[in-house]
Amino acid sequence: EPEVTQTPSHQVTQMGQEVILRCVPISNHLYFYWYRQILGQKVEFLVSFYNNEISEKSEIFDDQFSVERPDGSNFTLKIRSTKLEDSAMYFCASSELAGGANEQFFGPGTRLTVL
Amino acid sequence: AQSVAQPEDQVNVAEGNPLTVKCTYSVSGNPYLFWYVQYPNRGLQFLLKYITGDNLVKGSYGFEAEFNKSQTSFHLKKPSALVSDSALYFCALARSSGTYKYIFGTGTRLKVLA
Repeated sequence: EPEVTQTPSHQVTQMGQEVILRCVPISNHLYFYWYRQILGQKVEFLVSFYNNEISEKSEIFDDQFSVERPDGSNFTLKIRSTKLEDSAMYFCASSELAGGANEQFFGPGTRLTVL
Repeated sequence: AQSVAQPEDQVNVAEGNPLTVKCTYSVSGNPYLFWYVQYPNRGLQFLLKYITGDNLVKGSYGFEAEFNKSQTSFHLKKPSALVSDSALYFCALARSSGTYKYIFGTGTRLKVLA
C-alpha cells in the first residue's frame, strides 16, 4: 500500500540553525500539507501546497518557514533559523484531490528538537 | 470559528466491551469529519469520514462513527474492543468549501485492557 514517508525521523539542531525536513508524498497525489504537533498539544496546520505554490498558510507559518517541491517526488519544509519553540513533531500529508471531502494521508512524522 | 473538542484525554475499556471515543465540533456551514488513529512511531492513519448522507459511517478495523448534527457530535464507536485497538485517536474537521486544512482535536488515548 502506498504511503507517505518522511526523513529524518528525529532531527536535533542548535537554535539559530537551518533545518530541512523531507517528505515523499504518495506518487499520484497533487496536494501536500505540513502540520506540527508540539508535545502534549493539538496537531496544527502549517501550510498547504498545490501546483508549485502555497495554497494556504497559518499564522504559525511565518517568514522563517518555507516549502518547496524541488523535484517530482520530494516535498520539503525548511526552517531558516530555528527557535526553541519550533521543537515539535512535524507531519507531512498528501491528498489525491482537493476539497475537504478527500482524506489526507499522513507520514510518520519528524521529531525536531531545538537545543 | 471552527473547533473540535475531544473531552476525554484517555478512555479505558475492557477487551470485548464496546468502546466510544467522543468528538464534538463547531463550524459554520457543512462539516466534513474524520477519525484518524496513531500508533507509536507511526503517522496518523485514516479510519473513516463523514461527508454527507447516512449518519452512521463505517470504517477500517470494525470502527464506525455516528454524525449527529443537532448535538454537533461525531463519536467513534466499536462494538467489541481489542487490545490492539489501544492507540491515540484524533478527530478532525474540514470545511466543505474554501480552505481544506484539517482542524484537529487534542486526541484521546484509548487503552483496552485484557
